[in-house]
Amino acid sequence: AQSVTQLGSHVSVSEGALVLLRCNYSSSVPPYLFWYVQYPNQGLQLLLKYTSAATLVKGINGFEAEFKKSETSFHLTKPSAHMSDAAEYFCAVSGGTGGFKTIFGAGTRLFVKA
Amino acid sequence: GAGVSQSPSNKVTEKGKDVELRCDPISGHTALYWYRQRLGQGLEFLIYFQGNSAPDKSGLPSDRFSAERTGESVSTLTIQRTQQEDSAVYLCASSLGTAPSYEQYFGPGTRLTVT
Repeated sequence: AQSVTQLGSHVSVSEGALVLLRCNYSSSVPPYLFWYVQYPNQGLQLLLKYTSAATLVKGINGFEAEFKKSETSFHLTKPSAHMSDAAEYFCAVSGGTGGFKTIFGAGTRLFVKA
Repeated sequence: GAGVSQSPSNKVTEKGKDVELRCDPISGHTALYWYRQRLGQGLEFLIYFQGNSAPDKSGLPSDRFSAERTGESVSTLTIQRTQQEDSAVYLCASSLGTAPSYEQYFGPGTRLTVT
């Protein structure tokens, strides 16, 4: 079965530091990959998605992610954290061997220290 | 345009009572999803509607849970005889269609507390 693993339920960085949130997926067929962000008391919104057009995907708010097939990874990065980036981040996978269903990771909560 | 809306935003109910949660998807979105998000956990798929096709109910945790959708519009999720373990945020999402490349647009959720 298709699955998504997010390493680290909590990540804490200082303002201005690099943000790295890890995501690995399992699928024998390259899937579609997404990163969603959930701000407190809000629904999820799309940060970026990989649909095979380019392995490096740029999203909103300065985030980007790189699809690495050999590592089955889709890690999310941002060069310089801002206080407003504090939120919960979800990696998700659809397609591949899972069909239309979107499988979400357990989420990583990002804390940004002043 | 308007996004996905859900009502109520918060619901407190007593154990054993029935509750009904509502979702209004984005106009023109043929696919609609319900998820459950327990505190500190990821999203748990519950049910999926696509146009007039039979819904995929494979994620519903028990027969106390049911959902309906009229055409490509409003959906309601009903939980009968609520239990404390049903306490969670229930999220609704819609998308343009079934292709796996389509992103989902989420509502703000309904926070259900069963006392």
